[in-house]
Order: sequence, then C-alpha cells, then structure tokens
Amino acid sequence: GDSVTQMEGPVTLSEEAFLTINCTYTATGYPSLFWYVQYPGEGLQLLLKATKADDKGSNKGFEATYRKETTSFHLEKGSVQVSDSAVYFCALKDDSWGKLQFGAGTQVVVTP
Amino acid sequence: DAGVIQSPRHEVTEMGQEVTLRCKPISGHDYLFWYRQTMMRGLELLIYFNNNVPIDDSGMPEDRFSAKMPNASFSTLKIQPSEPRDSAVYFCASSSGTRHEQFFGPGTRLTVL
Repeated sequence: GDSVTQMEGPVTLSEEAFLTINCTYTATGYPSLFWYVQYPGEGLQLLLKATKADDKGSNKGFEATYRKETTSFHLEKGSVQVSDSAVYFCALKDDSWGKLQFGAGTQVVVTP
Repeated sequence: DAGVIQSPRHEVTEMGQEVTLRCKPISGHDYLFWYRQTMMRGLELLIYFNNNVPIDDSGMPEDRFSAKMPNASFSTLKIQPSEPRDSAVYFCASSSGTRHEQFFGPGTRLTVL
C-alpha cells in the first residue's frame, strides 16, 4: 500500500539556518503530495502541495519539488525563523481516494 | 468561511463516561475525516465519510468508538465507555472531491481520568 517516510526529529536549528526535511514515498499510482505544518496547540495547516511530477510547491519561503524518479518530496527553506518552530508532516493522496497518507511528522525547533 | 469547527475544544471526563465530540465541516465539502493524535502513535486516521456515508472505519480502535454523519454539516465521534488510554487530541478534517487538500479543525483535547 501507499506509505510516506520522513526523517525523524527533532531537528534543532539556529535562526537563519537552512532547513531540509526529507520525505520519500511509495505509491502504486500517481499521487498528489503535500506538506502540512502544525504549530503548537493547533490543527494541521496545508503548507504547500504538488500534484504531478516536477511540480514545485512553495509558500512562506518553503519549497518542495515532486521528484518521481527518486519518489521524494523534500521540504526546504533557505533561512528559518523562530516562528517556523512546528511539526511538519509529509503526506500523499492517491487520486482514486479522498484519504491522505501522512508521515510520522518531524519536529523543528528554531532557536534565536 | 469559518473553517472546520470542532466542539468542545477541551474535554475532561472520568473513566467509564460517555464522550461525544462534534464536528462541522466546511460547507460544500463532501469528505469528512476523524483523526486521533498522541505522542506515542502520532496522527492516526480513525474513519472517513464521503457524502455522509462511512467509507473506511478500519482505524477505529475498538467497538467503544462510533462515528456518525447524519447530514452534510455535522458529524459526531462517540466513545462509550471512555478509558484513560483514549486521552488524545481528536481532529476533524474535511475536503472537497474536486480539490486535494484536507482542512483541519482546531482539535478537541480529551483527557480521561
């Protein structure tokens, strides 16, 4: 079945550092891919998405490119801020169903 | 749009009591999802509905859990009887069949003493 694997956290960074969170997936079809962010005490919010191979999703300085050849969707940000401290979830959706498959989540802690 | 609405935001109850969590999805969305989030198990999908019909309830942990969606604007997740291990944050989410992303509510933090 479909699955998502993302790097374990916590990832601790200093402000203005470069952030990468690795995400790889397995799927039988051609899924859409997502990154969600969960700030402390809140629900998940969609950060960005990509619906086909080579698409790049971007939002709030974050980017991720749908790489079909490596089945990856790594999240990057060039200069993180303390306000980026959160848990980040990679997810995929098989076009056939409404169900999202989430990764385990990666906690990111940004220190001043 | 008000987004997905969940109530209550916090619930504290004693073991053995019935608990009912409520969700109002975004108007026009035809999918509704219930999730449970714990430190140990992360984010788990419990059940989801399409057009008010339960499609997959394989994530419901046991018979003490039940979910209903009597109409397109309301769903409940009930736990009877509740146990301390049910303590978690329960999220409701909704999506439209024509879009891909799910929109999450703020969650209900349940504590069973």
